[in-house]
Amino acid sequence: GDSVTQMEGPVTLSEEACLTINCTYTATGYPSLFWYVQYPGEGLQLLLKATKADDKGSNKGFEATYRKETTSFHLEKGSVQVSDSAVYFCALRGLYNNNDMRFGAGTRLTVKP
Amino acid sequence: NAGVTQTPKFQVLKTGQSMTLQCAQDMNHEYMSWYRQDPGMGLRLIHYSVGAGITDQGEVPNGYNVSRSTTEDFPLRLLSAAPSQTSVYFCASRRPQAMNTEAFFGQGTRLTVV
Repeated sequence: GDSVTQMEGPVTLSEEACLTINCTYTATGYPSLFWYVQYPGEGLQLLLKATKADDKGSNKGFEATYRKETTSFHLEKGSVQVSDSAVYFCALRGLYNNNDMRFGAGTRLTVKP
Repeated sequence: NAGVTQTPKFQVLKTGQSMTLQCAQDMNHEYMSWYRQDPGMGLRLIHYSVGAGITDQGEVPNGYNVSRSTTEDFPLRLLSAAPSQTSVYFCASRRPQAMNTEAFFGQGTRLTVV
């Protein structure tokens, strides 16, 4: 079945450092790919998405490119802020399982001033 | 802009007790689902519904029941709580058909079973 593997955390960075959180997937066909963010005490919010190969999703300085050849969707940001501290989830929605979403385990990011 | 509303936010149960987690959405979304979030395991689907009167099992349905009598509400029932059900529960909704539509999540219910 469809699955998502995401870089284990936690990740601790200093403010203005570069961020990369790796995400790879296994799916039949061409799934849609998502990054969700969960701030402390809150539910998940959509950060960005990509629906076909080579699409780049971007939002709030974060970006991720849908790479069909490497089945990856890595999350990147050039300069993180303290306010980016959160848990990040990579997810996919494929053709099967009634279009249900599959989530990675989540990566906790802490940014220190 | 209420979105998806879950109640309660926190709950402590004794083993064997039953309870219902409430979920309501005001976006007229046909698709609703319940997930549990456990450390190191991401979110796992418990049950889902593609519309009023229609429900189906997800990845981890044992010990939980659902019903969908209206488009707006999708309660999750724990029949006889067990410590293994200690988790954070999230309800989500979305438009059903397109693969690229985002899911909207509630703020979660943190459940502890002692």
